[in-house]
Amino acid sequence: DAGVTQSPTHLIKTRGQQVTLRCSPKSGHDTVSWYQQALGQGPQFIFQYYEEEERQRGNFPDRFSGHQFPNYSSELNVNALLLGDSALYLCASRASRDSYEQYFGPGTRLTVT
Amino acid sequence: EDQVTQSPEALRLQEGESSSLNCSYTVSGLRGLFWYRQDPGKGPEFLFTLYSAGEEKEKERLKATLTKKESFLHITAPKPEDSATYLCAVWGGSGNTGKLIFGQGTTLQVKP
Repeated sequence: DAGVTQSPTHLIKTRGQQVTLRCSPKSGHDTVSWYQQALGQGPQFIFQYYEEEERQRGNFPDRFSGHQFPNYSSELNVNALLLGDSALYLCASRASRDSYEQYFGPGTRLTVT
Repeated sequence: EDQVTQSPEALRLQEGESSSLNCSYTVSGLRGLFWYRQDPGKGPEFLFTLYSAGEEKEKERLKATLTKKESFLHITAPKPEDSATYLCAVWGGSGNTGKLIFGQGTTLQVKP
């Protein structure tokens, strides 16, 4: 049973550039959330996707956007990168909107220089 | 405002020295309290879900307990491989459109 997968593992970008991160949820899961984790901090909620629509959003600017595909996989896009966007980006999936347990992927380490 | 606070920030133990990690929370309508283990540079690994005060769950050397205001993760006779950051989170928001709200974590180091 495949868990949550994310790509790429690591990414280095320059300030002002744009980046796309990808996530495939755990088999049988239809709800995907994205979190940002700065060094030494707990993960912070970015947004959640269900039925290909953004259902809830955390306190992040519009530079952060996403998409969910019919196969439940998801993308996180960040435009106009800032140095402060450097973090570990985590994707989490859950079995349904009635289930609160979330399972996380290995993350994508984004470094902005 | 929903909030989670973990203590201590860091904990050093000798192998076999039992201890507890604390997670204090404030949330309107608890829908679950979650414990995760995170190794450096990796994603959080799910450990436990607790739903109501008085509930306890165990896994190997770990035991999680829950009261109305806090949760404890008890580590009995830890081994070096238990070294990791332990994250506590609550489900915040209304119904099933909510999100996990995390504490800052407790970094545990177990020395042989």
